[in-house]
Amino acid sequence: DIQMTQSPSSLSASVGDRVTITCRAGQSISTYLNWYQQKPGKAPKVLIYAASSLQSGVPSRFSGSGSGTDFTLTISSLQPEDFATYHCQQSYSTPLTFGGGTKVEIK
Amino acid sequence: QVQLQESGPGLVKPSQTLSLTCTVSGGSISSGDFYWSWIRQPPGKGLEWIGYIYYRVSTYYNPSLESRPTISIDTSKNQFSLKLNSVTAADTAVYYCARVSLTGRHNWFDPWGQGTLVTVSS
Repeated sequence: DIQMTQSPSSLSASVGDRVTITCRAGQSISTYLNWYQQKPGKAPKVLIYAASSLQSGVPSRFSGSGSGTDFTLTISSLQPEDFATYHCQQSYSTPLTFGGGTKVEIK
Repeated sequence: QVQLQESGPGLVKPSQTLSLTCTVSGGSISSGDFYWSWIRQPPGKGLEWIGYIYYRVSTYYNPSLESRPTISIDTSKNQFSLKLNSVTAADTAVYYCARVSLTGRHNWFDPWGQGTLVTVSS
């Protein structure tokens, strides 16, 4: 199984801040990396697929980068509706695996 | 716009079989363009992929679940289902169904159902 490690596990930030979340894969996964946003009591929603492709309808303040083993999700200017938990997921090989999540909280 | 909705018992006794159904609306489950998947999330924990099915042709499961899950498709009802046998308290989780979108070799979960909490307890 490919282990996915996210950091930090939580962070506090203010509206307008630039936020970066990191995801590291246990082996090279090329660009087979997706990012999801999950709000309390709701299902996850895809933000970024294939490491850097923005899902239709997702605001452009979200961006993804990376390849191989190291990936980042960046929120350029944090908005009130962005306070949530973010998950990375590798689609390189089965079993598909997720990172442990990063909770973004209000400072 | 495709929507998914999970249904099934919210309480299952230990050693019994958990059975859930996902009803797909706004699109055909038999189109062959997508995989259909189950994912779960224990309370307060991360996401775990259970498995997926491709138009009744192929199924893939997470080996960590030790041959307990079975995913099937009913095209007449536009539904797919999950059965997980020999459940224990460790199987208590919110269970999500999701479509697997594809482009080239890339795939991702979109959309998801709202999720359903299944508790394993006597």
